[in-house]
Amino acid sequence: AQTVTQSQPEMSVQEAETVTLSCTYDTSESDYYLFWYKQPPSRQMILVIRQEAYKQQNATENRFSVNFQKAAKSFSLKISDSQLGDAAMYFCARRDFGNEKLTFGTGTRLTIIP
Amino acid sequence: DTGVSQDPRHKITKRGQNVTFRCDPISEHNRLYWYRQTLGQGPEFLTYFQNEAQLEKSRLLSDRFSAERPKGSFSTLEIQRTEQGDSAMYLCASSIPQGRETQYFGPGTRLLVL
Repeated sequence: AQTVTQSQPEMSVQEAETVTLSCTYDTSESDYYLFWYKQPPSRQMILVIRQEAYKQQNATENRFSVNFQKAAKSFSLKISDSQLGDAAMYFCARRDFGNEKLTFGTGTRLTIIP
Repeated sequence: DTGVSQDPRHKITKRGQNVTFRCDPISEHNRLYWYRQTLGQGPEFLTYFQNEAQLEKSRLLSDRFSAERPKGSFSTLEIQRTEQGDSAMYLCASSIPQGRETQYFGPGTRLLVL
């Protein structure tokens, strides 16, 4: 099975500090997309950041950035200057080019310590 | 611009009853997706539509499940003869084929089968 693995069920970080969430995946495809989604408690899932596999440059969105290592099939999310509103479940997901299905990991629950 | 909406947000039913959920995608999004999320897991793909055509169904979508999108706008997901194992969050998402192809998620319908 082509899976997405998030090995950290829970993480915590002090407010204003930096935290990195890990994600590895398995695919036999060369063209695919990778995503990080955020799901706050009792709220809907929203996209945090997206990376196209053919792009070598790591994606960034304000305080959020990724470290994409294609050969290692690794896609970690770095959150800088953590804020209380960053507390949520974070899901890593993969979608192969030409395939509409998103495959998600099991998620990492991020707690922000004031 | 409103996001993806789902109705109802919560549903409690007795085993053996039929339930129907509705999803209204973002206007002009011609692709619509259904996912199921059980406790402690990431969402799992169920099916997707392009306009009114159902183009892919997961093996998770048993014969008791049926999804429709009759006019290419809103979609319904029906579960017949519900079982306790059907208890989950049912998520709907929509996207457009051009551009960044991000799937935008609704708030979900939480189903509890007693």
